[in-house]
Amino acid sequence: GAGVSQSPRYKVAKRGQDVALRCDPISGHVSLFWYQQALGQGPEFLTYFQNEAQLDKSGLPSDRFFAERPEGSVSTLKIQRTQQEDSAVYLCASWRIPGELFFGEGSRLTVL
Amino acid sequence: SQQGEEDPQALSIQEGENATMNCSYKTSINNLQWYRQNSGRGLVHLILIRSNEREKHSGRLRVTLDTSKKSSSLLITASRAADTASYFCATDDSGGYQKVTFGIGTKLQVIP
Repeated sequence: GAGVSQSPRYKVAKRGQDVALRCDPISGHVSLFWYQQALGQGPEFLTYFQNEAQLDKSGLPSDRFFAERPEGSVSTLKIQRTQQEDSAVYLCASWRIPGELFFGEGSRLTVL
Repeated sequence: SQQGEEDPQALSIQEGENATMNCSYKTSINNLQWYRQNSGRGLVHLILIRSNEREKHSGRLRVTLDTSKKSSSLLITASRAADTASYFCATDDSGGYQKVTFGIGTKLQVIP
């Protein structure tokens, strides 16, 4: 596609529910990042993929967070047993070569 | 954790005035980038400056980089109401795979 596509744009979950957020990067972009952005804050790094390999998951806040990119293109961020503190915008970004990151519009998660 | 720290956190100016935002970071870098984010949207890349560059221009944007002080500034000249947004600096580590981390941002309001 022309840009990075994320879905859903908005998700409301009840506390304890599992959610899955999808990212479709720009075709041919090898590297993919996930970020979490709380209201009024900058994006906080969660995890990084190069093709299908998850090279860095140091930013995942707990073992309830899991990300995958099985075929090196589409990626899914899964949050199990959601908590209120998980409420944030989840941003996906990709690049073909290191430099400019291309961002999706984000998925806004609200946990009630 | 955030690598960079922008200053000021909020800035309000009149249309036509110049806006200057500063960013400080902690570790050695390859590149420093500035991104813009309109409310509720994803981030958009503005400009990239490499660690061996001191100044770069793009349209009404001027970026400086001082690696000895680990700081950068973004100047927007002749501001417009449409420049109202949050601005983030981002750095990639000189080691490893060039993980990109963001600052907390400067919220700019340009009053018509």
